[in-house]
Amino acid sequence: EIMMTQSPPTLSVSPGERATLSCRVSQSVSSNLAWYQQKPGQVPRLLIFGASSRATGIPVRFSGSGSGTEFTLTISSLQSEDFAVYYCQQYHIWWTFGPGTKVEIK
Amino acid sequence: EVQLVESGGGLVQPGRSLRLSCGVSGFTFDDYAMHWVRQAPGKGLEWVSGITWDSLTKGYADSVKGRFTISRDNAKNSLYLQMNSLRPEDTAFYYCTKNNRFRYFGGGMDVWGQGTTVTVSS
Repeated sequence: EIMMTQSPPTLSVSPGERATLSCRVSQSVSSNLAWYQQKPGQVPRLLIFGASSRATGIPVRFSGSGSGTEFTLTISSLQSEDFAVYYCQQYHIWWTFGPGTKVEIK
Repeated sequence: EVQLVESGGGLVQPGRSLRLSCGVSGFTFDDYAMHWVRQAPGKGLEWVSGITWDSLTKGYADSVKGRFTISRDNAKNSLYLQMNSLRPEDTAFYYCTKNNRFRYFGGGMDVWGQGTTVTVSS
């Protein structure tokens, strides 16, 4: 079973600042990794797939990188609408979600 | 407009069964794999099950294997989840999701329904 960890659990960031979220996987998943954003009371939204490809309609301030077991989601300049919980997900062997990182206003 | 609409949730006693349905519109249903994902109250996301466009490949999370069965009817643009031997820990919001990649698994889940609530309690 593939295990996933995300760090930090909570990230406090001021609007306009850069946010860097980490996702680690217990074994290599190549580039078979996605990132999702979920705001309170809303359904998750696909941000990134293939580790670095932005989904349709996702702003360029969101970028993904990494391969194998270590991945990063970067939000270059946080907007008010970006405060949310972010999940990584591997789809190399079935699917597994990480526990999430909450991005909150500092 | 692409839409996924779940139904069939509710309150059920432990050990009983429930069948969830997901009606699809706005895209060619039989071109895409589909999934069920759940979220317990205040918790994170958990993949439950997935099925390829042709129903030839199905996958299940260990937590539901042997109890849940995924199926689809491409003629009716519908996805289903038969849930048997329900447990209190199955209590969650259940989402129907569309696979991003054409035909086969992979590429994330790019469309999500609004979800349906399943509560397992005596």
